[in-house]
Parts: sequence; C-alpha cells; structure tokens
Amino acid sequence: GAVVSQHPSRVICKSGTSVKIECRSLDFQATTMFWYRQFPKQSLMLMATSNEGSKATYEQGVEKDKFLINHASLTLSTLTVTSAHPEDSSFYICSAPMARELNEQFFGPGTRLTVL
Amino acid sequence: KNQVEQSPQSLIILEGKNCTLQCNYTVSPFSNLRWYKQDTGRGPVSLTIMTFSENTKSNGRYTATLDADTKQSSLHITASQLSDSASYICVVRPAANAGNMLTFGGGTRLMVKP
Repeated sequence: GAVVSQHPSRVICKSGTSVKIECRSLDFQATTMFWYRQFPKQSLMLMATSNEGSKATYEQGVEKDKFLINHASLTLSTLTVTSAHPEDSSFYICSAPMARELNEQFFGPGTRLTVL
Repeated sequence: KNQVEQSPQSLIILEGKNCTLQCNYTVSPFSNLRWYKQDTGRGPVSLTIMTFSENTKSNGRYTATLDADTKQSSLHITASQLSDSASYICVVRPAANAGNMLTFGGGTRLMVKP
C-alpha cells in the first residue's frame, strides 16, 4: 500500500489565490521530504528539500517566497503556492526517504494544480 | 555535472513483445541506481534498486542490469502487457550525499498496443 500520501490529488484555482498541498509519510517518520514539479512529458524537477525543524533548502531558480514549505512534523510537509499564476500549473510530487528501507525514496501520488 | 540520459525517449510495442530501455549516467561515485514506473497522473513507483556491486535485479517481468564500468543500465520488460504503458525513469543516487539528492533521467514513455 501507499506509504506517502498527498492531498489534494487535484486542485483548480483562480489566479492570485494560494494553494496548500500536503505530503504525509504513513507509518514512518521523515525528517526530510522532497518536493518536485513535473511538466507534461518531462521528468521530475527537484524544487526544494523540506527539513523538519529548520528552513527548507530551495533549488536554484525556485522562489522561496512563491513556494512556501513548512515541515510541520515528522510525518507532514506542506507546500503552499502563493499568488498562483497559470504558469504555476503543473504536477507536484513529494517524496520521503524511509530509513528502514535503506533510505529508498517513496513518492506520493502527486497533486495536479491548474490555475485559471 | 551529474547527468542521467535515457533512451529511447518514447517507444511503442505490441502486447506480448519484449523491450529494453537504456540508461547512461555520469554520476560517480554512486550509491545506487533505481528504475521507477510512473503511470500518467501518478507518482513514480519503484521497480528495482541496485547498488554499484550488483549486475542484475529482477522484479517479475522486469529485469534491470547494471554495468558500473561503462556506467550503463538497462531495464528489460518481458511479455509486455497493456498495463506496462507508462513512463520509466532511471534515477541515480550519488554516494556520500547526506541530503539524499537524486539525479533523474528524462524517462522513456512506453506505449503497449494490443
């Protein structure tokens, strides 16, 4: 069964609004989680590393004020897309390494964001 | 710069046929190499994981091979089924990387036709 969940699975919003996406590790704790975005027919692109108890680490070119990350607990990380624009429309995926599985990354099912 | 290149970018085969997907990487040294299957609109799901010392790993009809000398890996799918239609992603994890950062290939989009 799924070991990493995401909510919501898809969301449609108007330009200018903010959208929060949740990523939860099920049955294991993750001090680190990763957020990716994926455009159609392209591979995953790492956006940021979410760290429990400290600030997230953002990849070059990713605006930290635009994509707010909060690692609220050892099983929950949230990504908030602030003042969303149509170009933010994408598939957002999170992942978490499971220590008891040699830190293999388990990916969430993804969240499809459409900004009108 | 660490890179992972996959070929072909896309592939169409008939149901029941076999196929082989290729992955070339420059990540060195690396901890492990993984193949993931990603259905459309879903997150990637792990198929195989191999360390640098392993040459082959099977998971049902999926068999992955690894040649650490030439830095090449392949994923062989036997007796393809319609449900094998998906993107297959090769992912390499560098060694001694405390951040668990992964290097992703661009993926191969496989379509299995009846």
